[in-house]
Amino acid sequence: NAGVTQTPKFRILKIGQSMTLQCTQDMNHNYMYWYRQDPGMGLKLIYYSVGAGITDKGEVPNGYNVSRSTTEDFPLRLELAAPSQTSVYFCASSNQNSWGGGDEQFFGPGTRLTVL
Amino acid sequence: GQQLNQSPQSMFIQEGEDVSMNCTSSSIFNTWLWYKQDPGEGPVLLIALYKAGELTSNGRLTAQFGITRKDSFLNISASIPSDVGIYFCAGPAITGNQFYFGTGTSLTVIP
Repeated sequence: NAGVTQTPKFRILKIGQSMTLQCTQDMNHNYMYWYRQDPGMGLKLIYYSVGAGITDKGEVPNGYNVSRSTTEDFPLRLELAAPSQTSVYFCASSNQNSWGGGDEQFFGPGTRLTVL
Repeated sequence: GQQLNQSPQSMFIQEGEDVSMNCTSSSIFNTWLWYKQDPGEGPVLLIALYKAGELTSNGRLTAQFGITRKDSFLNISASIPSDVGIYFCAGPAITGNQFYFGTGTSLTVIP
């Protein structure tokens, strides 16, 4: 299994440009997540999905959009890039745990995004 | 949102020393997870705790789920250079599907 893969690894955007960060998992996990990690900080949840066709906002969703048309893919869209979105973005996936929530999360290698 | 505060924020220790770090929350958790992040990588799960009072080991790592359900502790014994990294506590919200990460503890091991 490749696990969780993310593309691109690095990207520089100009203010106002748009882009999509790709995330794919091959573990047949129902749950998928997008986080951002600012320098020296912990991870903040942007959006998550509990299954194909279902998405919901995390702590910091403003400026982002997601879709989940398949179990495997969970792209993150930035429509109008702003300098405040400069960060490292991590995608993760998990199974459902015994309480009905997400279990151990497996992370991708991250996408480093700089907005100038 | 819930706040997970970790202390200390950073540690510089000699190889072979033991390490202790903790994580406290403003509200209760049913699950505590400890992750390690190497530079330039995504976090990797080290230990999962599912019951208040539970003490779980994984090699040189031992973690405990606090009785109050608002805290957790991670100990690393006989540290080695490859223990260098950032350690995060994390856990799912009691209700709903939100997931929270702590502020992180950066560990440097001096050979």
